[in-house]
Amino acid sequence: GENVEQHPSTLSVQEGDSAVIKCTYSDSASNYFPWYKQELGKGPQLIIDIRSNVGEKKDQRIAVTLNKTAKHFSLHITETQPEDSAVYFCAGDRGTGTASKLTFGTGTRLQVTL
Amino acid sequence: TAGITQAPTSQILAAGRSMTLRCTQDMRHNAMYWYRQDLGLGLRLIHYSNTAGTTGKGEVPDGYSVSRANTDDFPLTLASAVPSQTSVYFCASSRTGGRTGELFFGEGSRLTVL
Repeated sequence: GENVEQHPSTLSVQEGDSAVIKCTYSDSASNYFPWYKQELGKGPQLIIDIRSNVGEKKDQRIAVTLNKTAKHFSLHITETQPEDSAVYFCAGDRGTGTASKLTFGTGTRLQVTL
Repeated sequence: TAGITQAPTSQILAAGRSMTLRCTQDMRHNAMYWYRQDLGLGLRLIHYSNTAGTTGKGEVPDGYSVSRANTDDFPLTLASAVPSQTSVYFCASSRTGGRTGELFFGEGSRLTVL
């Protein structure tokens, strides 16, 4: 089955700096890679996703890059703000169209300091 | 819109007792899921359901059972709880058909087995 590894487990950045979280996956058939943000006491919420037919996707201050050859993908947050502080999870899936069987990474706790 | 509603929010349970975690969605999504979240292990899929009347095993199904009698409800049952089932449990749902898409999560049920 799929194995998704995520690094770092914790990340502290100053407000305004950039943050990068990296993930690798093992299943070459995986073609859907979402990122979820989990705020304290809440369930995870999708913030951005990328499919294997593109290499990069941006949404305002958030971007995700995918390197299928190397089997890794990354989340980039620019101009970080205190409200970006949360736990972020990457995930991978074959994207077959039936029920999703996402394999999640172990999470990165991002702390944005003033 | 309520989205995903989970109950109870938290529960302390004696080992050997049974427990059912309830999950209801109002989005008319075909697929539903149960994940457990443990520190350092991320989110792991317990069971899923493609559509009403069908269920499937995820990564960590042992000790858990589910049923999907209708579209809206997807209860998770622990027949005889053990301390290793202490965790935060998240129910989620998604649309199906075409390609894998966004999972919508509830706010979680914290279960402590003593």
